[in-house]
Amino acid sequence: EPEVTQTPSHQVTQMGQEVILRCVPISNHLYFYWYRQILGQKVEFLVSFYNNEISEKSEIFDDQFSVERPDGSNFTLKIRSTKLEDSAMYFCASSGRGQGANEQYFGPGTRLTVT
Amino acid sequence: AQSVTQPDIHITVSEGASLELRCNYSYGATPYLFWYVQSPGQGLQLLLKYFSGDTLVQGIKGFEAEFKRSQSSFNLRKPSVHWSDAAEYFCAVNGGYQKVTFGTGTKLQVIP
Repeated sequence: EPEVTQTPSHQVTQMGQEVILRCVPISNHLYFYWYRQILGQKVEFLVSFYNNEISEKSEIFDDQFSVERPDGSNFTLKIRSTKLEDSAMYFCASSGRGQGANEQYFGPGTRLTVT
Repeated sequence: AQSVTQPDIHITVSEGASLELRCNYSYGATPYLFWYVQSPGQGLQLLLKYFSGDTLVQGIKGFEAEFKRSQSSFNLRKPSVHWSDAAEYFCAVNGGYQKVTFGTGTKLQVIP
Protein backbone atom coordinates (compact mmCIF):
# COMPACT_ATOMS: atom_id res chain seq x y z
CA GLU A 1 0.00 0.00 0.00
CA PRO A 2 1.39 3.44 -0.87
CA GLU A 3 2.46 5.54 2.07
CA VAL A 4 3.76 8.96 2.97
CA THR A 5 7.41 9.00 3.99
CA GLN A 6 9.30 11.61 5.99
CA THR A 7 12.98 12.29 6.56
CA PRO A 8 14.75 12.56 8.86
CA SER A 9 12.95 10.69 11.63
CA HIS A 10 14.71 12.84 14.23
CA GLN A 11 16.45 16.18 13.78
CA VAL A 12 18.38 18.02 16.45
CA THR A 13 19.29 21.63 15.78
CA GLN A 14 20.48 24.67 17.66
CA MET A 15 18.26 27.68 18.24
CA GLY A 16 18.50 30.13 15.37
CA GLN A 17 19.44 27.53 12.78
CA GLU A 18 17.43 26.77 9.67
CA VAL A 19 15.91 23.32 9.27
CA ILE A 20 14.22 21.64 6.34
CA LEU A 21 11.89 18.74 6.95
CA ARG A 22 11.23 16.54 3.97
CA CYS A 23 8.22 14.54 2.91
CA VAL A 24 7.41 12.34 -0.04
CA PRO A 25 3.61 12.27 -0.43
CA ILE A 26 1.71 9.47 -2.12
CA SER A 27 2.50 9.76 -5.80
CA ASN A 28 -0.89 10.61 -7.34
CA HIS A 29 -2.05 12.87 -4.50
CA LEU A 30 -2.78 16.52 -5.14
CA TYR A 31 -3.16 18.06 -1.68
CA PHE A 32 -0.35 18.32 0.83
CA TYR A 33 -0.29 19.31 4.47
CA TRP A 34 1.92 19.86 7.47
CA TYR A 35 0.84 19.39 11.07
CA ARG A 36 2.74 19.58 14.30
CA GLN A 37 2.34 18.03 17.74
CA ILE A 38 4.12 19.52 20.70
CA LEU A 39 4.94 16.83 23.25
CA GLY A 40 1.88 15.90 25.26
CA GLN A 41 -0.48 18.05 23.20
CA LYS A 42 -2.86 17.53 20.32
CA VAL A 43 -2.01 17.55 16.65
CA GLU A 44 -2.35 21.02 15.11
CA PHE A 45 -2.79 22.04 11.50
CA LEU A 46 -0.05 24.23 10.05
CA VAL A 47 -0.61 24.57 6.33
CA SER A 48 -2.23 23.06 3.26
CA PHE A 49 -0.78 23.24 -0.24
CA TYR A 50 -2.44 22.68 -3.59
CA ASN A 51 -1.53 23.52 -7.16
CA ASN A 52 1.85 24.88 -6.08
CA GLU A 53 0.52 27.37 -3.62
CA ILE A 54 -0.62 27.60 -0.03
CA SER A 55 -4.38 27.16 0.18
CA GLU A 56 -4.78 27.62 3.91
CA LYS A 57 -2.52 28.27 6.86
CA SER A 58 -2.99 28.53 10.59
CA GLU A 59 -1.84 31.35 12.84
CA ILE A 60 1.07 29.15 13.89
CA PHE A 61 2.43 29.28 10.34
CA ASP A 62 4.14 32.66 10.55
CA ASP A 63 6.90 34.17 8.44
CA GLN A 64 9.47 31.78 9.92
CA PHE A 65 7.80 28.91 8.10
CA SER A 66 7.67 28.16 4.40
CA VAL A 67 6.68 25.22 2.27
CA GLU A 68 7.80 24.14 -1.15
CA ARG A 69 7.29 21.39 -3.65
CA PRO A 70 10.68 21.60 -5.36
CA ASP A 71 10.07 18.72 -7.75
CA GLY A 72 7.36 16.23 -8.60
CA SER A 73 7.83 14.10 -5.52
CA ASN A 74 9.07 16.05 -2.49
CA PHE A 75 7.22 18.45 -0.21
CA THR A 76 9.29 20.39 2.29
CA LEU A 77 8.73 22.49 5.40
CA LYS A 78 11.42 25.05 6.18
CA ILE A 79 11.82 26.82 9.48
CA ARG A 80 14.16 29.75 8.95
CA SER A 81 15.36 30.48 12.45
CA THR A 82 14.33 27.83 14.92
CA LYS A 83 13.14 28.63 18.42
CA LEU A 84 12.97 26.36 21.45
CA GLU A 85 9.19 26.27 21.12
CA ASP A 86 9.46 24.79 17.62
CA SER A 87 10.46 21.50 19.25
CA ALA A 88 7.68 19.12 18.24
CA MET A 89 6.76 16.18 16.08
CA TYR A 90 5.98 17.34 12.55
CA PHE A 91 3.64 15.27 10.42
CA CYS A 92 3.26 15.52 6.67
CA ALA A 93 0.03 14.37 5.04
CA SER A 94 -1.37 14.09 1.55
CA SER A 95 -4.75 13.45 0.00
CA GLY A 96 -6.09 12.60 -3.43
CA ARG A 97 -8.85 13.88 -5.66
CA GLY A 98 -12.64 13.85 -5.42
CA GLN A 99 -13.94 12.31 -2.22
CA GLY A 100 -10.43 10.98 -1.66
CA ALA A 101 -9.39 14.55 -0.96
CA ASN A 102 -11.15 14.26 2.39
CA GLU A 103 -8.97 11.44 3.68
CA GLN A 104 -5.48 12.53 4.55
CA TYR A 105 -2.71 9.98 4.79
CA PHE A 106 -0.16 10.83 7.45
CA GLY A 107 3.54 10.14 7.44
CA PRO A 108 5.40 8.73 10.46
CA GLY A 109 6.59 12.17 11.55
CA THR A 110 9.87 13.97 12.13
CA ARG A 111 10.77 14.73 15.70
CA LEU A 112 12.45 18.14 15.81
CA THR A 113 14.46 19.01 18.90
CA VAL A 114 15.73 22.58 19.22
CA THR A 115 18.45 23.10 21.82
CA ALA B 1 -15.43 26.49 12.30
CA GLN B 2 -15.01 22.81 12.91
CA SER B 3 -14.03 21.53 16.34
CA VAL B 4 -13.71 18.27 18.24
CA THR B 5 -14.18 17.61 21.93
CA GLN B 6 -12.88 14.56 23.71
CA PRO B 7 -14.13 14.97 27.25
CA ASP B 8 -12.07 12.20 28.82
CA ILE B 9 -8.37 13.00 29.14
CA HIS B 10 -7.47 9.69 30.71
CA ILE B 11 -9.36 6.39 30.96
CA THR B 12 -8.33 3.22 32.78
CA VAL B 13 -9.94 -0.12 31.99
CA SER B 14 -9.22 -3.69 32.96
CA GLU B 15 -8.00 -6.07 30.31
CA GLY B 16 -10.97 -7.87 28.81
CA ALA B 17 -13.42 -5.13 29.75
CA SER B 18 -15.34 -3.13 27.20
CA LEU B 19 -14.27 0.34 26.15
CA GLU B 20 -16.03 3.45 24.94
CA LEU B 21 -14.16 6.67 24.12
CA ARG B 22 -16.30 9.73 23.62
CA CYS B 23 -16.04 12.27 20.84
CA ASN B 24 -18.27 15.20 20.00
CA TYR B 25 -17.78 17.36 16.97
CA SER B 26 -18.99 20.69 15.74
CA TYR B 27 -19.50 21.29 12.06
CA GLY B 28 -22.32 22.77 10.00
CA ALA B 29 -22.84 19.88 7.60
CA THR B 30 -22.04 16.18 7.69
CA PRO B 31 -18.35 15.95 8.38
CA TYR B 32 -15.81 13.32 7.63
CA LEU B 33 -14.84 11.71 10.93
CA PHE B 34 -11.79 9.73 11.95
CA TRP B 35 -10.25 7.95 14.89
CA TYR B 36 -6.46 7.66 15.15
CA VAL B 37 -4.30 5.84 17.64
CA GLN B 38 -0.83 6.92 18.69
CA SER B 39 1.67 4.98 20.78
CA PRO B 40 4.30 7.02 22.66
CA GLY B 41 6.78 8.62 20.29
CA GLN B 42 5.08 7.12 17.27
CA GLY B 43 3.01 8.37 14.37
CA LEU B 44 -0.73 8.35 13.82
CA GLN B 45 -2.43 5.14 12.81
CA LEU B 46 -5.90 5.38 11.31
CA LEU B 47 -8.33 3.09 13.14
CA LEU B 48 -11.47 3.89 11.18
CA LYS B 49 -13.32 6.59 9.29
CA TYR B 50 -16.86 7.70 8.54
CA PHE B 51 -17.74 9.43 5.30
CA SER B 52 -21.37 8.48 4.68
CA GLY B 53 -23.77 5.54 4.67
CA ASP B 54 -23.97 3.05 7.52
CA THR B 55 -23.53 4.94 10.77
CA LEU B 56 -21.74 2.03 12.45
CA VAL B 57 -18.27 1.67 11.03
CA GLN B 58 -15.80 -1.10 11.63
CA GLY B 59 -12.10 -0.49 11.89
CA ILE B 60 -8.88 -2.30 12.52
CA LYS B 61 -7.92 -4.09 15.74
CA GLY B 62 -11.55 -4.86 16.58
CA PHE B 63 -12.61 -1.23 17.02
CA GLU B 64 -15.89 0.24 15.85
CA ALA B 65 -17.49 3.67 16.02
CA GLU B 66 -21.02 4.94 15.68
CA PHE B 67 -21.93 8.25 14.06
CA LYS B 68 -24.93 9.89 15.72
CA ARG B 69 -25.93 13.04 13.94
CA SER B 70 -28.53 14.03 16.55
CA GLN B 71 -25.88 14.00 19.25
CA SER B 72 -22.98 15.23 17.08
CA SER B 73 -21.04 12.27 18.38
CA PHE B 74 -18.68 9.67 17.00
CA ASN B 75 -17.81 7.41 19.93
CA LEU B 76 -15.22 4.67 19.63
CA ARG B 77 -15.91 1.25 21.10
CA LYS B 78 -14.23 -2.09 21.61
CA PRO B 79 -15.96 -5.05 23.28
CA SER B 80 -12.84 -6.50 24.92
CA VAL B 81 -9.69 -4.49 25.50
CA HIS B 82 -6.22 -6.01 25.21
CA TRP B 83 -3.11 -4.72 27.01
CA SER B 84 -1.66 -3.74 23.63
CA ASP B 85 -4.50 -1.22 23.18
CA ALA B 86 -2.88 1.09 25.73
CA ALA B 87 -2.14 4.26 23.75
CA GLU B 88 -3.54 7.69 23.05
CA TYR B 89 -6.62 7.97 20.90
CA PHE B 90 -7.50 11.01 18.82
CA CYS B 91 -10.84 11.81 17.25
CA ALA B 92 -10.64 14.08 14.21
CA VAL B 93 -12.97 15.87 11.83
CA ASN B 94 -12.50 17.06 8.28
CA GLY B 95 -15.19 19.40 7.05
CA GLY B 96 -13.46 19.85 3.74
CA TYR B 97 -10.09 18.92 2.44
CA GLN B 98 -8.25 21.93 3.73
CA LYS B 99 -7.42 20.62 7.16
CA VAL B 100 -8.15 18.01 9.77
CA THR B 101 -9.01 19.21 13.26
CA PHE B 102 -7.99 16.88 16.06
CA GLY B 103 -9.36 16.50 19.54
CA THR B 104 -7.10 16.75 22.56
CA GLY B 105 -6.86 12.99 22.84
CA THR B 106 -7.75 10.33 25.39
CA LYS B 107 -4.98 8.33 27.01
CA LEU B 108 -6.01 4.74 27.60
CA GLN B 109 -4.41 2.72 30.36
CA VAL B 110 -5.10 -1.02 30.51
CA ILE B 111 -4.63 -2.81 33.82
CA PRO B 112 -4.28 -6.59 34.22
